[in-house]
Amino acid sequence: GEKVEQHESTLSVREGDSAVINCTYTDTASSYFPWYKQEAGKSLHFVIDIRSNVDRKQSQRLTVLLDKKAKRFSLHITATQPEDSAIYFCAAFTYQGGRALIFGTGTTVSVSP
Amino acid sequence: NAGVIQTPRHKVTGKGQEATLWCEPISGHSAVFWYRQTIVQGLEFLTYFRNQAPIDDSGMPKERFSAQMPNQSHSTLKIQSTQPQDSAVYLCASSLEGRNTLYFGAGTRLSVL
Repeated sequence: GEKVEQHESTLSVREGDSAVINCTYTDTASSYFPWYKQEAGKSLHFVIDIRSNVDRKQSQRLTVLLDKKAKRFSLHITATQPEDSAIYFCAAFTYQGGRALIFGTGTTVSVSP
Repeated sequence: NAGVIQTPRHKVTGKGQEATLWCEPISGHSAVFWYRQTIVQGLEFLTYFRNQAPIDDSGMPKERFSAQMPNQSHSTLKIQSTQPQDSAVYLCASSLEGRNTLYFGAGTRLSVL
């Protein structure tokens, strides 16, 4: 089955700097890659996603890049703000076989003033 | 819309006791997912239902864990003979038919003493 590896377990950045989180996946059939955010004491919520028919998607300060050949995708946060501090989870999904979203282990992002 | 409701929020059991966790999905959502969150393993997929039917339970430990969805308004995850390694936050999520975005509940923190 699919395995998703999230390469950074923690990331510390200064406010205003950029943060990048990298993930790799194993199943070439995976075609949908969302990111979820978990703020302290709260549950996860969706932030952005990318499908395999594109290699880049941007939403305000968030950009997701997808490299299908390398089976790698990444989340870029620009101009970080304190409210970006959270755990970010990447995930992969294949539409075949009725499978569910498989998540990475999470990256704790800390934005300091 | 109250979101996905999970009860109880916290449950403490003694080793060998049974624990039943409840999930009420968002009204109108046809898919319900169960995940387990720990510091070490991150977010592990357990099982999911679509239109109350079990679709994929590949993440469920084969012994002691079972899940049901007797009607469209709730699902249960039962752990028999709980062990300390079962201690985790159990997350339930739901999604609309044909949509990939998961809406997570606040989770049930299970502590097995």
